[in-house]
Amino acid sequence: GAVVSQHPSWVICKSGTSVKIECRSLDFQATTMFWYRQFPKQSLMLMATSNEGSKATYEQGVEKDKFLINHASLTLSTLTVTSAHPEDSSFYICSASVGTEQYFGPGTRLTVT
Amino acid sequence: QKEVEQNSGPLSVPEGAIASLNCTYSDRGSQSFFWYRQYSGKSPELIMFIYSNGDKEDGRFTAQLNKASQYVSLLIRDSQPSDSATYLCAVSLIKAAGNKLTFGGGTRVLVKP
Repeated sequence: GAVVSQHPSWVICKSGTSVKIECRSLDFQATTMFWYRQFPKQSLMLMATSNEGSKATYEQGVEKDKFLINHASLTLSTLTVTSAHPEDSSFYICSASVGTEQYFGPGTRLTVT
Repeated sequence: QKEVEQNSGPLSVPEGAIASLNCTYSDRGSQSFFWYRQYSGKSPELIMFIYSNGDKEDGRFTAQLNKASQYVSLLIRDSQPSDSATYLCAVSLIKAAGNKLTFGGGTRVLVKP
């Protein structure tokens, strides 16, 4: 149980384009999902908390107009990186809450050229 | 001062020995404590959680919590080369569903055959 999937697993896009990443809880319903970003050799940085049916809560310093989050159902949250630039290249990981624990998706590696 | 601190390592351990990982946290009100394992290029995997002072054992893993000292540790007994990974300590202020986690920088563990 507690399986979280992400799609795509990796994506390469050109600077200025937008990329959508999907996060799904496969065998449970997740009222709350989280989006993290991880740069090489660094720890996880929480970007935002996504709650089903309401607006996401963004961490300080994260541009909400650049990183659009939609939690449309109890099993799906999406992160759209708008007008991506090379500095947005990173490993994006979602997690979903099951009780007090968080389970992570496999991550999406984004490369912006 | 970082909210959650870990020694970055690498912690080099002979195969079969005990690996001891430490984590300190700054917020005395923290309620929930988690250990995640992250292999290079992969997303974190939950291996242990602990809420109460004392020890909690699960297979070869033992988590130890001392709230008075604001300290949580992870022991890995009979270390195997497959245990070589980065171990992330995560802390939450509350013990409730959908709680936000704060991660330490991680400790890299190398188990040598």
